[in-house]
Amino acid sequence: GEDVEQSLFLSVREGDSSVINCTYTDSSSTYLYWYKQEPGAGLQLLTYIFSNMDMKQDQRLTVLLNKKDKHLSLRIADTQTGDSAIYFCAESINSGNTPLVFGKGTRLSVIA
Amino acid sequence: EAGVAQSPRYKIIEKRQSVAFWCNPISGHATLYWYQQILGQGPKLLIQFQNNGVVDDSQLPKDRFSAERLKGVDSTLKIQPAKLEDSAVYLCASSLVGRGETQYFGPGTRLLVL
Repeated sequence: GEDVEQSLFLSVREGDSSVINCTYTDSSSTYLYWYKQEPGAGLQLLTYIFSNMDMKQDQRLTVLLNKKDKHLSLRIADTQTGDSAIYFCAESINSGNTPLVFGKGTRLSVIA
Repeated sequence: EAGVAQSPRYKIIEKRQSVAFWCNPISGHATLYWYQQILGQGPKLLIQFQNNGVVDDSQLPKDRFSAERLKGVDSTLKIQPAKLEDSAVYLCASSLVGRGETQYFGPGTRLLVL
């Protein structure tokens, strides 16, 4: 079955790096996503990775995928107060358009 | 490019009343999703459309929830009658058809059932 787990809270100081972790159970997941949700807003896609990749970097964001351990992480370099939000990990199965299965989200608080 | 539009943004109703939400997807996106996000949780799929056909409604509580996408563009989601546990944010998302196409989310409708 599909299940995505995330730690619920993370607090970092401005300028430090943040690392948000996620584990998933469905070995057939081939697309893994990170979404950001600010208060009162919808979900904003940050980045995604295909399961045949180990790493993807996009400006301040680095995604690492350990397919053997079914572990995904999102690193935010030089974290800013504007990065404070809830970050959701999501998986989907490669069979055309499939719904996303989300974790419960990690609330990132950035302390100035 | 305009994003996914949803209305209303907020709705407060009493239990046993009816409510309807509207979604207008990104132009050209054939696939449309409705998700329910209960406070403190991640979104969970309610129903998926491709054009005006239902692809997956296995998680939709059909005794009280209904959804339609008659012309393959806009969609409405209805709850009748509402229960207290339906208090949540209802998110609409759309995507192009194809393998791994990105889903784009609207701002959501926040429903409070009293």
